[in-house]
Parts: sequence; structure tokens; C-alpha cells
Amino acid sequence: EDQVTQSPEALRLQEGESSSLNCSYTVSGLRGLFWYRQDPGKGPEFLFTLYSAGEEKEKERLKATLTKKESFLHITAPKPEDSATYLCAVEAGTYKYIFGTGTRLKVLA
Amino acid sequence: GAGVSQSPSNKVTEKGKDVELRCDPISGHTALYWYRQSLGQGLEFLIYFQGNSAPDKSGLPSDRFSAERTGGSVSTLTIQRTQQEDSAVYLCASSFLAGPGGYTFGSGTRLTVV
Repeated sequence: EDQVTQSPEALRLQEGESSSLNCSYTVSGLRGLFWYRQDPGKGPEFLFTLYSAGEEKEKERLKATLTKKESFLHITAPKPEDSATYLCAVEAGTYKYIFGTGTRLKVLA
Repeated sequence: GAGVSQSPSNKVTEKGKDVELRCDPISGHTALYWYRQSLGQGLEFLIYFQGNSAPDKSGLPSDRFSAERTGGSVSTLTIQRTQQEDSAVYLCASSFLAGPGGYTFGSGTRLTVV
């Protein structure tokens, strides 16, 4: 069964304290892995798409990496405005995404 | 419009009533999706529309749920005889093409069934 598991469920960091979020997946025929950011009361906002193992994408303080079994979202020197829930999703069929339950990140000033 | 627009943003309804949720996708986006987000759970796929093709309704949890998309643009998700377990945030997303590339989500409709 196709599955996406994110860890940790919640993470509290001090401003400037770098860390990584994990997304483990089991899917037959990965067509893409996606990272989204979701702020309270808002819909998820697209961050990255990764297609193949070894691929990396960067955006400001965020860097996403992909292996054959998992993806990491590295956050370097985070700021309070990076506080949000980060969602991982995989494309299992031609268009259906399977989402993880997310990691709630809180960055303290 | 500039983004995906959903209305209402919040809806409180009594158990047993019918509700309609509206989604206005980004102009030109041919693919439209509905997802449900319940507390502590990942987003759950409900239904997918692509152009004029028959929709994929495989994610709809029961026959109380239905959706339509008129003129390849606006979509309405209808829940009949609402139950308390229907309480969730209903998210609509659209994309230019189905498949990789990421969706653009609306802000959702928070449905509370009392």
C-alpha cells in the first residue's frame, strides 16, 4: 500500500538552529515527491518537486533532498517566519497525491 | 483570478442538512481537485476533474458526496445529509496540467457539523 510518513510530528527550534524534517515513503512507481508549506487557516503552498534519487532543490533557507526511500527538508538558520506545517506528498498515480500528516515547525525568536 | 478562490471560508451546519462548497480555480487551469483535511490526518483525495473528461470520483467517502464542474471552470462540492464526521477543511486545488508540478491550493472551507 502506498504510504507517506513524516517525522517528527512537531519540532521547536531556536532562531538560527538548523534541523531537518523527514518524509519516508512507500510507493510503486514514484512520479514525483512534493513539499508544501501550510500556514494556519491557509491552503498548502507549493515549495518543491523532486523526481529522482539524488536530486536537490533549494529556496532561501530550505533545501530538499531525495533518496529512493525518503526525502529530507533541511532548514538552515531558521527564522520565526519559517514557522508553519510542512507537508510532504508523493504522486502515486497519474494525478493523485498521497500526503503525509505533516511536521508542525515552531521557530522561537 | 490570481489564485484559487473558495467559498464560504467557514460553514456551520446542522446535522442532516445539505451543504454546497464552491471552488473557482485559476483561469486556464484544466485540472481541478478536491481534498479533505481532518484534524491530525493527512490530506485525503476526494475527486479530480480534467478538462471535459469524466471525473475520477474514487475518493468520495460515500454517496452523500458529489461534485460537479461547470464549463470547465467553477466546481461545487455537495454534501447531502451532513454528519458530524464530515467536519473538516475542504481544500480545492487546480493545476495547468495533471501530474508533476504541484498544485495551487485555495484557502479551504472549514465545515463544522453540529
